[in-house]
Amino acid sequence: GQNIDQPTEMTATEGAIVQINCTYQTSGFNGLFWYQQHAGEAPTFLSYNVLDGLEEKGRFSSFLSRSKGYSYLLLKELQMKDSASYLCAVMDSNYQLIWGAGTKLIIKP
Amino acid sequence: TAGITQAPTSQILAAGRSMTLRCTQDMRHNAMYWYRQDLGLGLRLIHYSNTAGTTGKGEVPDGYSVSRANTDDFPLTLASAVPSQTSVYFCASSRSADGETQYFGPGTRLLVL
Repeated sequence: GQNIDQPTEMTATEGAIVQINCTYQTSGFNGLFWYQQHAGEAPTFLSYNVLDGLEEKGRFSSFLSRSKGYSYLLLKELQMKDSASYLCAVMDSNYQLIWGAGTKLIIKP
Repeated sequence: TAGITQAPTSQILAAGRSMTLRCTQDMRHNAMYWYRQDLGLGLRLIHYSNTAGTTGKGEVPDGYSVSRANTDDFPLTLASAVPSQTSVYFCASSRSADGETQYFGPGTRLLVL
């Protein structure tokens, strides 16, 4: 079966750095996406990785290792507004997204 | 730009009743999707459409139907609602079906009693 695993909840301090991990087992691989979802709102696109390595976009970076079935989202200089759920999703061989349950990130002052 | 709109924002529905959730996008995207989101679970694909005139079944299609008469609209119908269909429903679209980023509407919160 297809499976995406990520921690249920993480807590971090304002101004710090946090790494959210995602491991996956899917039927084929056509890229990995990270989305941010604030409570009561829609998911919004953060990043896309299809090749191994690090993609940096401002305070957010995303890393992929296809051989290990592993990705992480790195958030730097945390701000209170970063409190949200972070969703990992893998596009399988049929170009359908398989979603993890999300990691709820709590930022404390 | 509106992007993707969904209606209604929320609804309480009696079990056994039918309902259509509306989704409209103004980005001229070819592919559209319906997901449901339940606590503790990842988003699950209900139905999708790769282009106008075609539809396909996702992971959890039972109890739901869709149509895609034109590029912009992708309504989701519950023919006879059951309490297990209580969920948050998100419509999404992408420029094409093969590897493009999906963009989401604001969601419809449905409670079936």
